[in-house]
Amino acid sequence: AQSVTQPDIHITVSEGASLELRCNYSYGATPYLFWYVQSPGQGLQLLLKYFSGDTLVQGIKGFEAEFKRSQSSFNLRKPSVHWSDAAEYFCAVGAPNDMRFGAGTRLTVKP
Amino acid sequence: KAGVTQTPRYLIKTRGQQVTLSCSPISGHRSVSWYQQTPGQGLQFLFEYFSETQRNKGNFPGRFSGRQFSNSRSEMNVSTLELGDSALYLCASSPTSRGTGELFFGEGSRLTVL
Repeated sequence: AQSVTQPDIHITVSEGASLELRCNYSYGATPYLFWYVQSPGQGLQLLLKYFSGDTLVQGIKGFEAEFKRSQSSFNLRKPSVHWSDAAEYFCAVGAPNDMRFGAGTRLTVKP
Repeated sequence: KAGVTQTPRYLIKTRGQQVTLSCSPISGHRSVSWYQQTPGQGLQFLFEYFSETQRNKGNFPGRFSGRQFSNSRSEMNVSTLELGDSALYLCASSPTSRGTGELFFGEGSRLTVL
């Protein structure tokens, strides 16, 4: 079965600074990869997804992620963080009839 | 298009009681999945229903059960509540099976067991 690891439990960045959230996965075949965001008291919202094709995918709210097969990674990036980006971010890896979520990375944005 | 609706949003129960949570998926979505979210365990998969059939089940005791109706609405039930069942229960719907497409989440039902 597939698995996903988010090495960073909590990250703090200053507003306007760049952001990179790490995600590593384990799966034998080409995975379906997702990043979700959860604001306090809310459900999860999809930021972006990778199924195939171009390894750099663009998502909503200015986020992007790059699939690197050789490193089994799917890191999320944003060039300039806004205070409203403070939330919890989940990486997920999917396979037919299965979806595994990472433990999440909580993002704090300093003014 | 209306999103995924979960009811109730908040509820408080005592140990030993049972609870039923409801989820109305996005119109046309046939897959409904349930997750338990706690600070210590993160997102844990409970079960998935697809066209009224339970397709997958996570590693939870038999006290946790669910069902899906012909209109795709789903309910989950937890019997004989324990303190450790306190959590945010999230429902997600999808037009395809879980794993190969986007999951659309509701805002969750926050259960507190006293």
